[in-house]
Amino acid sequence: GAGVSQSPSNKVTEKGKDVELRCDPISGHTALYWYRQSLGQGLEFLIYFQGNSAPDKSGLPSDRFSAERTGGSVSTLTIQRTQQEDSAVYLCASSLASGGHTEAFFGQGTRLTVV
Amino acid sequence: SQQGEEDPQALSIQEGENATMNCSYKTSINNLQWYRQNSGRGLVHLILIRSNEREKHSGRLRVTLDTSKKSSSLLITASRAADTASYFCATDNKPGTASKLTFGTGTRLQVTL
Repeated sequence: GAGVSQSPSNKVTEKGKDVELRCDPISGHTALYWYRQSLGQGLEFLIYFQGNSAPDKSGLPSDRFSAERTGGSVSTLTIQRTQQEDSAVYLCASSLASGGHTEAFFGQGTRLTVV
Repeated sequence: SQQGEEDPQALSIQEGENATMNCSYKTSINNLQWYRQNSGRGLVHLILIRSNEREKHSGRLRVTLDTSKKSSSLLITASRAADTASYFCATDNKPGTASKLTFGTGTRLQVTL
């Protein structure tokens, strides 16, 4: 596709339910990032995938959060047993990792509301 | 934790004026980038400056980098109402390949007519 695609755009879920957020990066981009942004706040790093290397999971806030990247392309962020504090916009970005090109292209995000 | 801290947190100016936003960071960097965000959704890349560069221009944007002070500034000249947005700096510290981008807290810019 032309850009990074995230789905769904909006998700309302009940506390305690699991949710899956999907990210389709730009074709050929080897780096993929997940960030979380609460209302009016900055971007909180969650996880980073780079090619075949082990992902950097240092930003995941708890073991309820996990992410996969299948075949070096599509990524899924899973939040288990959602809590109200998980409500935020979840942003995915991808980057072409060559020659020091670190410009990240962002999707439009998934707005998660836990009620 | 945030690598970068922008100031001011919010800035309100009139159309035609210049807007200056600052970013400070904590660790050595490879590149520093500035992004813009409208309406709390996807960010758009504006400009990248490498650690061995001191100044870079792109249209109405001017970015400076002072690695000795671990700080950068973004200047938007002749601002327009359409420049109203949040602006974030982002740093990476791994040369040669893409590495984790760490974002600052952002500056909310309001440009009024």
